[in-house]
Amino acid sequence: EIVLTQSPGTLSLSPGERATLSCRASQSISSSYLAWYQQKPGQAPRLLIYGASSRATGIPDRFSGSGSGTDFTLTISRLEPEDFAVYYCQQYAGSSWTFGQGAKVEIK
Amino acid sequence: EVQLVESGGVVVQPGGSLRLSCAASGFTFDDYAMHWVRQAPGKGLEWVSLISWDGGRTSYADSVKGRFTISRDNSKNSLYLQMNSLRPEDTALYHCAAQDSTGYYSLDYWGQGTLVTVSS
Repeated sequence: EIVLTQSPGTLSLSPGERATLSCRASQSISSSYLAWYQQKPGQAPRLLIYGASSRATGIPDRFSGSGSGTDFTLTISRLEPEDFAVYYCQQYAGSSWTFGQGAKVEIK
Repeated sequence: EVQLVESGGVVVQPGGSLRLSCAASGFTFDDYAMHWVRQAPGKGLEWVSLISWDGGRTSYADSVKGRFTISRDNSKNSLYLQMNSLRPEDTALYHCAAQDSTGYYSLDYWGQGTLVTVSS
């Protein structure tokens, strides 16, 4: 099973700052099969990025994804108040889906 | 508007059984593979199971293999999860989710979840 490790676990930033979240896979994965989600308290996860770098419908362009192989990044260029949440990466390989443990972006 | 509404979550004793349901609307249900993903209280997301659009293919996480069975009824736009031999560690909010239909394997639509508590 491929393990996804997200870092940092918690990121403390102010609105307007840039957030960079990392997701590292235990073995190389196809970029097509790497996604990012946002989850706010009491809400269902929301798809942000699919195929490592494509924004889902309705996602603002301050969210961007990049990476390949084992290292992937979600960047929020300028944090808005509504962006403070938990973020998960997810991958698919061989009939199995796995999520990273999550990374919290909190207000500093 | 896409909607996925889960139901069936209750408090159940260890060793018991439960069937969860997910009602889908606002999209062509039988175009999409469907998943169950769970989230233990205060914890992260854990993938549980997948079923293909026609029910012909299923897959399970090792943690539930042999105990849980996923199924669907496309005539009713519904997804199910039969949970047997429940354990305290199965306590979680169970979400149903619809998988991308264009080959990216992301989970595009999610329900709010139904809470399963396994406790004596």
